[in-house]
Amino acid sequence: SSELTQDPAVSVALGQTVTITCQGDSLRDFYASWYQQRPGQAPILVMYGKDSRPSGIPDRFSGSSSGGTASLTVTGAQAEDEAVYYCNCRDSSGLQLFGGGTKLTVL
Amino acid sequence: QVTLKESGPVLVKPTETLTLTCTVSGFSLNDPTMAVTWIRQPPGKALEWLARIFSNGETAQSPSLEGRLFISKDSSKNQVVLTLTNVDPGDTATYFCARLLFGADILTGYAYNWFDPWGRGTLVTVSS
Repeated sequence: SSELTQDPAVSVALGQTVTITCQGDSLRDFYASWYQQRPGQAPILVMYGKDSRPSGIPDRFSGSSSGGTASLTVTGAQAEDEAVYYCNCRDSSGLQLFGGGTKLTVL
Repeated sequence: QVTLKESGPVLVKPTETLTLTCTVSGFSLNDPTMAVTWIRQPPGKALEWLARIFSNGETAQSPSLEGRLFISKDSSKNQVVLTLTNVDPGDTATYFCARLLFGADILTGYAYNWFDPWGRGTLVTVSS
């Protein structure tokens, strides 16, 4: 399959830990990247590669990947983490795939 | 500082051709370690990858839009141009351009890429 599947929505209590997952056959061969999009704004990169975090992204964000599933974990979620998160990876042809997005609500 | 900025029409009529320009700064379109890509997002919906162009001019497009979608660049102007022909209301979206970077994990051999940074996007409405 050339798709990436994400849960449409997840919620987390303030200060607790939440994991957002992304599933797809391409993730068995390629690492994902993750993007945070707040309402009315362009997406920003929050995680890429095996577990690389861009400068300026808090270390409460971490990533992992195993057996066709990529995960983005937020440890100690803050109110400002409320956003939609998209996963992305390439397929074997070099084309790009996006997941459908997961809306994270911080309660 | 690397920046990308999208520009183009706000409103396009059905069957017309949409042309969008991405003007980049802070990096060269001739740099072989990066590419430029276009991504769109219909209102309230998910991101959709459209096309990308490498420094050597090699291009790739989304199969769902093949035949209607073209990407090109003018390195002297630091611009990447996206052309979408025969538009319809389903092409209404915010169109983003982004720099595409590449990497590979030495231990696992897994390749990966990432989009960073993104432009702010430009909303295009297709309507008569």
